[in-house]
Amino acid sequence: QVQLKESGPGLVQPSETLSLTCTVSGFSLTSYSVSWVRQPSGKGPEWMGRMWYDGDTAYNSALKSRLSISRDTSKNQVFLKMNSLQTDDTGTYYCTRDGGFDYWGQGVMVTVSS
Amino acid sequence: DIQMTQSPSSLPASLGERVTISCRASQGISNNLNWYQQKPDGTIKPLIYYTSNLQSGVPSRFSGSGSGTDYSLTISSLEPEDFAMYYCQQDASFPRTFGGGTKLELK
Repeated sequence: QVQLKESGPGLVQPSETLSLTCTVSGFSLTSYSVSWVRQPSGKGPEWMGRMWYDGDTAYNSALKSRLSISRDTSKNQVFLKMNSLQTDDTGTYYCTRDGGFDYWGQGVMVTVSS
Repeated sequence: DIQMTQSPSSLPASLGERVTISCRASQGISNNLNWYQQKPDGTIKPLIYYTSNLQSGVPSRFSGSGSGTDYSLTISSLEPEDFAMYYCQQDASFPRTFGGGTKLELK
């Protein structure tokens, strides 16, 4: 069945870089796009960016200067890297199969703190 | 960016009650509107896509409607597992944007 699972460090220092991995199963990254969505505590979700099925990317302009999304199709993984982290980047980060966000990972909590 | 405004932000309700959550887009989104349920543990469950289509496995007590800029999610008879956060999200243009959420809570 379709599954997505996020992994990465739970704690990141201010000004450092966040690196997250989304490992998928049950579908091919060359057939479906995958998006990253984050959610600060107590707030609504925010779409961060997408890895298209053809390898192209799209980013939220609010984050574009800090964000990079890539993939390794042989490992069924999509990667997120975001630099210059600040405290307001704290929240839960999700990956979701795009094309209607029909499947979501469980999310990974990221805290930006010294 | 298209802004999505949900109302109410909090909705106290009783078991068996019929409830409706509203979502308004800052511009027309041509029915490209999805709804999600989020439980306290953070799990996000897709409910409805393209305004009114139920995702697989979603009970028929959930329904969606709307057009243009105004959309709604209705639960016909509340069950205990329905008390959660609900979010709308537009798929019409990038960046994809979400509403601020509606907390459905037990009265």
